[in-house]
Amino acid sequence: DGGITQSPKYLFRKEGQNVTLSCEQNLNHDAMYWYRQDPGQGLRLIYYSQIVNDFQKGDIAEGYSVSREKKESFPLTVTSAQKNPTAFYLCASSLVWEKMNTEAFFGQGTRLTVV
Amino acid sequence: DAKTTQPNSMESNEEEPVHLPCNHSTISGTDYIHWYRQLPSQGPEYVIHGLTSNVNNRMASLAIAEDRKSSTLILHRATLRDAAVYYCILREPSQGGSEKLVFGKGTKLTVNP
Repeated sequence: DGGITQSPKYLFRKEGQNVTLSCEQNLNHDAMYWYRQDPGQGLRLIYYSQIVNDFQKGDIAEGYSVSREKKESFPLTVTSAQKNPTAFYLCASSLVWEKMNTEAFFGQGTRLTVV
Repeated sequence: DAKTTQPNSMESNEEEPVHLPCNHSTISGTDYIHWYRQLPSQGPEYVIHGLTSNVNNRMASLAIAEDRKSSTLILHRATLRDAAVYYCILREPSQGGSEKLVFGKGTKLTVNP
């Protein structure tokens, strides 16, 4: 089955530790995105990538880092510099806009709790 | 960034039609209008998209104003499973050719039995 997978679903970390969230897709999509969602709020864009080895900051990139070494994978690291990391993190992928205007597919999310 | 404006919340009764509005007065000629919905504790799912003409699919209909400055997502017969947050977004290219996919706060739809 084609799709986008985030793991783990729930993650607990101690304050001051870096943590990496996984996002993998087998849809052959060029573009991938990371969002953060706080309770009762909409999605805020952290980072996005159009192509392997290239990515851009979104609206709230501070305290986060990403890599795009493979087309299928776009891991997000939440660093100790992120002041309030507890949130619901969503990953998405899509074909690039120029190729075809189709929908984005989302993973089921990772709920990160920092204690 | 092209932006959209939606009501924070709306309420409907089961089996009645629902019209969810979205304003996008700064839309450019090449921006597509997309709608997604998000059930509690899940990732958003695609609903429908369009450019200029009205669109229909098995989930919903999308009515786009002639000047494209607003659109309406229509659920023809709401069910309890349609209770979700609905997002209206514009797919826009950004500088350097990379595309941002920017979501607003959406409309929380409550469906009453």
